Amino acid sequence: GQQVMQIPQYQHVQEGEDFTTYCNSSTTLSNIQWYKQRPGGHPVFLIQLVKSGEVKKQKRLTFQFGEAKKNSSLHITATQTTDVGTYFCAGRGLTGGGNKLTFGTGTQLKVEL
Amino acid sequence: KAGVTQTPRYLIKTRGQQVTLSCSPISGHRSVSWYQQTPGQGLQFLFEYFSETQRNKGNFPGRFSGRQFSNSRSEMNVSTLELGDSALYLCASSWGGGDSPLHFGNGTRLTVT
Repeated sequence: GQQVMQIPQYQHVQEGEDFTTYCNSSTTLSNIQWYKQRPGGHPVFLIQLVKSGEVKKQKRLTFQFGEAKKNSSLHITATQTTDVGTYFCAGRGLTGGGNKLTFGTGTQLKVEL
Repeated sequence: KAGVTQTPRYLIKTRGQQVTLSCSPISGHRSVSWYQQTPGQGLQFLFEYFSETQRNKGNFPGRFSGRQFSNSRSEMNVSTLELGDSALYLCASSWGGGDSPLHFGNGTRLTVT
């Protein structure tokens, strides 16, 4: 079945440093979504990418979808303590129906002052 | 607009017992998905219901079952509980289209002793 891996699993950064998490799918995706889960909270939808090579920005966050639609990345510029949490990518396969999203393994981000 | 509501928030059960978890989706959402979250396995897809029909199913044993009612509310049942079933169970609702983002509830924390 479809598998989605993320690296790194953990990342500690100093406030102000940049952060990137990478997401790789074993199969081609129709679209990819990104979620953020704060400690003790639930995943919250950030953004969806649909087109090959698509790049979207949300303030300090930049999301990319690979040309082959099998990988994606999230880059945070100048991290802040409010960025702490676990970031998940979630992909929907080309043949899968409905809302079956396969979540990546997640990258836990810790930001130190 | 009220978010996704899951009850109860916490449950403690004994091995061999069964448990029913409840999820009320956002008004107007017709799709409800269930995920199991554990530290070691991340977010694992259980099943998705759309208009009272199971549309997708993950790779969980038959002890895990669910249903959806005409008002889109959903229940998940786990029979013959095992220690390994201890996890955070998250419910997510959406409009149900292939590009719909998921809106998660706060989850039910199940502990099996």
